[in-house]
Amino acid sequence: EPEVTQTPSHQVTQMGQEVILRCVPISNHLYFYWYRQILGQKVEFLVSFYNNEISEKSEIFDDQFSVERPDGSNFTLKIRSTKLEDSAMYFCASSVDNYEKLFFGSGTQLSVL
Amino acid sequence: AQRVTQPEKLLSVFKGAPVELKCNYSYSGSPELFWYVQYSRQRLQLLLRHISRESIKGFTADLNKGETSFHLKKPFAQEEDSAMYYCALSGGGYNKLIFGAGTRLAVHP
Repeated sequence: EPEVTQTPSHQVTQMGQEVILRCVPISNHLYFYWYRQILGQKVEFLVSFYNNEISEKSEIFDDQFSVERPDGSNFTLKIRSTKLEDSAMYFCASSVDNYEKLFFGSGTQLSVL
Repeated sequence: AQRVTQPEKLLSVFKGAPVELKCNYSYSGSPELFWYVQYSRQRLQLLLRHISRESIKGFTADLNKGETSFHLKKPFAQEEDSAMYYCALSGGGYNKLIFGAGTRLAVHP
């Protein structure tokens, strides 16, 4: 079965640094998402992306966050100036359309020191 | 406020016992409810959704709008059912899911 691929699996960064988390969605999927899970907390929606623009975003997704589809295969999440509280597991997901089954990647564990 | 509540952090049963993982939700409109599962060292994956009305791996879940519940049930648990189970709600498309905190199911031999 096709899978959503995320790289790296672990990312350690210093507070204030920029990080880019990378995702390769399933090739025929049109909708892309980022979720995150802070240790011990719920999985939280960050943003959805379709047709090269943000469809919806949560209150968490402030100006420090941005998403991009730089080419035909990658989908990235950028955090401009990381804070300690950005430490979390970040999940990318994709779907054929916005009501269909979500396929999740295995996640990137971001640690901000 | 939109919310999903899973009251149990851990549910521990013996193989062959019935299982019920509880999920209650709060939503003002007509939500779509899902159960996602995460097996050890694997990715989060959809187990079932209420509109499909299907049984997956012996699990079923019925949406009870009166009680605002979507409990996950299986009559006879298997060891391979051990995993983290998340109930989730979607209120309006765009796959913007609201997750519960999750329940860890441990099935002992």
